[in-house]
Amino acid sequence: GAVVSQHPSRVICKSGTSVKIECRSLDFQATTMFWYRQFPKQSLMLMATSNEGSKATYEQGVEKDKFLINHASLTLSTLTVTSAHPEDSSFYICSARTLAGSDEQFFGPGTRLTVL
Amino acid sequence: RKEVEQDPGPFNVPEGATVAFNCTYSNSASQSFFWYRQDCRKEPKLLMSVYSSGNEDGRFTAQLNRASQYISLLIRDSKLSDSATYLCVARKAAGNKLTFGGGTRVLVKP
Repeated sequence: GAVVSQHPSRVICKSGTSVKIECRSLDFQATTMFWYRQFPKQSLMLMATSNEGSKATYEQGVEKDKFLINHASLTLSTLTVTSAHPEDSSFYICSARTLAGSDEQFFGPGTRLTVL
Repeated sequence: RKEVEQDPGPFNVPEGATVAFNCTYSNSASQSFFWYRQDCRKEPKLLMSVYSSGNEDGRFTAQLNRASQYISLLIRDSKLSDSATYLCVARKAAGNKLTFGGGTRVLVKP
């Protein structure tokens, strides 16, 4: 099956720093990648939809200047949390949709961000 | 009101028993439905799609009731490894974004 990786799997940083999370589709090309956030005991909430070569589409309430998304290739999308604060601590998960065939989304293993 | 709602549980299930739970959705434009399974601190994984006529995959049976706007999942002969959070997911159109419910936690005990 299709494999999506995320790096890092866990990051702890100080308040005010920026953190970059990478999402890669390892064995397929993904025209679209999605970024989700999940707080403890809550559901996944879509943050933005990232299309290769174009600007990301952000969901209502998600600050595009704070959560910078870059989708420079068909296998890589990055999410940068700028000037992170403790309330940004969460589980960030990406998913990728294949270029052709099934419309299924394949999820990465997630990145746990803790901002001190 | 959340677009996709689930009973958070937990459902405590004896090993070997049957458990069933529902999910309701508010957007009548939703066309496709899925059940995902999420283990603690892990990513969600697709369990099964839900078809209008109902469908079965081994010990798992999914049903869709469009008139009442709910989806159900039934697990037969529960195994300890079935312990997880089950996420109900709706999608409005092919290629569109997925909307997740809050999840139903199932704990299967010996």
